[in-house]
Formats: sequence, C-alpha cells, structure tokens
Amino acid sequence: DIVMTQSPDSLAVSLGERASINCKSNQSVLNSSNNKNYLAWYQQKPGQPPKLLIYWASTRESGVPDRFSGSGSGTDFTLTISSLQAEDVAVYHCQQYYSTPFSFGPGTEVDMK
Amino acid sequence: EVQLLESGGGLVQPGGSLRLSCAASGFIFRNYAMNWVRQAPGKGLEWVSVISDSGGTTYYADSVKGRFSVSRDNSKNTLYLEMNSLRAEDTALYYCAKGRISGHYGSSNIWGQGTLVTVSS
Repeated sequence: DIVMTQSPDSLAVSLGERASINCKSNQSVLNSSNNKNYLAWYQQKPGQPPKLLIYWASTRESGVPDRFSGSGSGTDFTLTISSLQAEDVAVYHCQQYYSTPFSFGPGTEVDMK
Repeated sequence: EVQLLESGGGLVQPGGSLRLSCAASGFIFRNYAMNWVRQAPGKGLEWVSVISDSGGTTYYADSVKGRFSVSRDNSKNTLYLEMNSLRAEDTALYYCAKGRISGHYGSSNIWGQGTLVTVSS
C-alpha cells in the first residue's frame, strides 16, 4: 500500500503571504506510460466536505483561483498558495490515486497569523 | 446542478449492520466510478471503497474488507454501502464522492455532505 505523509501538520501565514504544504508518498505515483502523477489536493473547510483543488499533481480544477498551484513528481509534491486570503483557512489533504487503496495524507491545517 | 445526497447513517451497536445510500443527480451516473470516503470525528480522510462505472469492479480499504460491500443501481442513480460487523472505530462521517473522469478511477470532483455513522453500545 502507498502511504502518504504531509508536512507541516499546521502552519499560520499572514494575509497575502505564501503558504507551502508538502506531501510525500512512500512509492512513486508517476505513471511512466502517460507521464502523469496520480496525485490530488483537496481543501476542506470546517463543517464542509472536501473540495477538489488540483489533480494530476499540477492541474487546477475548474473555478479554483490561480493563487493555488501544485508541483512535484514521483514521490514529492507541494501545494502552494501564493497569496493567502482569509477564505483559504482550511485543512488541505493530498491523495494518491495511482493504486488502491487510494490513500490520503493526514492533512495540513492552514490558519491566519 | 450536480449533487450527491447520502442517507442511512445513525446509531448502531457494535456488531450491527447499516446500509448507506447516495442518491446522485445532475450527471450521467452510470458513466462514473464512485467512492466512499470516511472521516472520524476530528480526524483526517480515509478512503473506504471504490466501484467502477458498471459496478463490475470494486476495491476496499483493508480496514473494511470482508465487512463492507459497495454496490450501485445505475437505473436508480444510487450508490450503496452495506456495512456489517460494525466496530467503534467505524464511527465516522461517510461521504460519497464522484470520480472526476468518465470511466476512470481517480480524483473526486463532487462530494456529498456526508452521513454520520456512530457505533456505540
């Protein structure tokens, strides 16, 4: 099974500053046949279901602001919020869908400093 | 509007059974794989199960294998999760989630609001 880890567990960022979250898998989630990383990022606000932000590690879902970006390949990935807004306070989860079980990371809580 | 609506949660004793449903609307249900994902109170997300668009292929997390069974009725646009031999550690909010790409497993772009399952005596 692929195990996902995230760092940090939580971070506090000032309004307008950059936030970066790391996600690592213990096996590569890169499919060499199509050169796609099977990695997604979700945002979850209190009392709400998760919302898909990024898929294929770096493709923004429709309607997601361009201050959100995903990068990385293989086993190491990063979600970056270029300029934190108040509405970005949430928990962020990464998920691999390369192989079942489609495991999630433990989540990173982003708060406003 | 694309929508998923879970139901069937509740309080059940350890060892008991429960059947969750997820009613889909606003998209061609039979074209998409569907997932169940759960979240214990104050915890992270745990993937539970996925079923292919036709219903012919299913996968489960080790923690529920042999106890839970996922199925779907494409004529009723409904996804199910049959849960047996329930344990305290199955207590969670259960979400159904739609696969993003038709015909493929992968990320989930539509999620329901969840239904709460509490396993306690």
